[in-house]
Amino acid sequence: NAGVTQTPKFQVLKTGQSMTLQCAQDMNHNSMYWYRQDPGMGLRLIYYSASEGTTDKGEVPNGYNVSRLNKREFSLRLESAAPSQTSVYFCASSISGGVNIQYFGAGTRLSVL
Amino acid sequence: EDKVVQSPLSLVVHEGDTVTLNCSYEVTNFRSLLWYKQEKKAPTFLFMLTSSGIEKKSGRLSSILDKKELFSILNITATQTGDSAIYLCAGVWGGKLIFGQGTELSVKP
Repeated sequence: NAGVTQTPKFQVLKTGQSMTLQCAQDMNHNSMYWYRQDPGMGLRLIYYSASEGTTDKGEVPNGYNVSRLNKREFSLRLESAAPSQTSVYFCASSISGGVNIQYFGAGTRLSVL
Repeated sequence: EDKVVQSPLSLVVHEGDTVTLNCSYEVTNFRSLLWYKQEKKAPTFLFMLTSSGIEKKSGRLSSILDKKELFSILNITATQTGDSAIYLCAGVWGGKLIFGQGTELSVKP
């Protein structure tokens, strides 16, 4: 069972470059999420999509955009990367926002130089 | 402001010890609290707690919620080196999760 799949696993960018992190789930979940994890700060929500066709900002949305391409896929885009965006990014999904056991992908480790 | 606070932030024990991890929360319209274990990669789900005073148990791990005092504890008995991980708790609010900072547990042989 694949669950939640993220690509790439690692990425190094230069300041100002752009990139898109991809996430796909095969559990027929309605809701999907993007988090970043920094040392000592737990997981912070960047954006989420409660259902196909909707997206909303989380706690730390500045510098990011998202696209819910279809029910399976939810991408995160950095338009102009900054060193402050160096982090580990996790995608997650859940059946819905109400029943909120979220299942996580393996993460993308991003370094911005 | 909604928040979840975990303590301690880090803990070092020896195999066989029993540990208690704490999670306090202030979450508007609180619905439930989740515990996750994070080893090298993705957080994996441990427990969901909705009702106060009802213990959830899985092997050597157990957890309980106190909705009056707004906290939860995660107990691990007879710890093993494989229990070394970051343990995260999260409050459910408005269809989203609010995570605490995590407790990094290290179990020494």
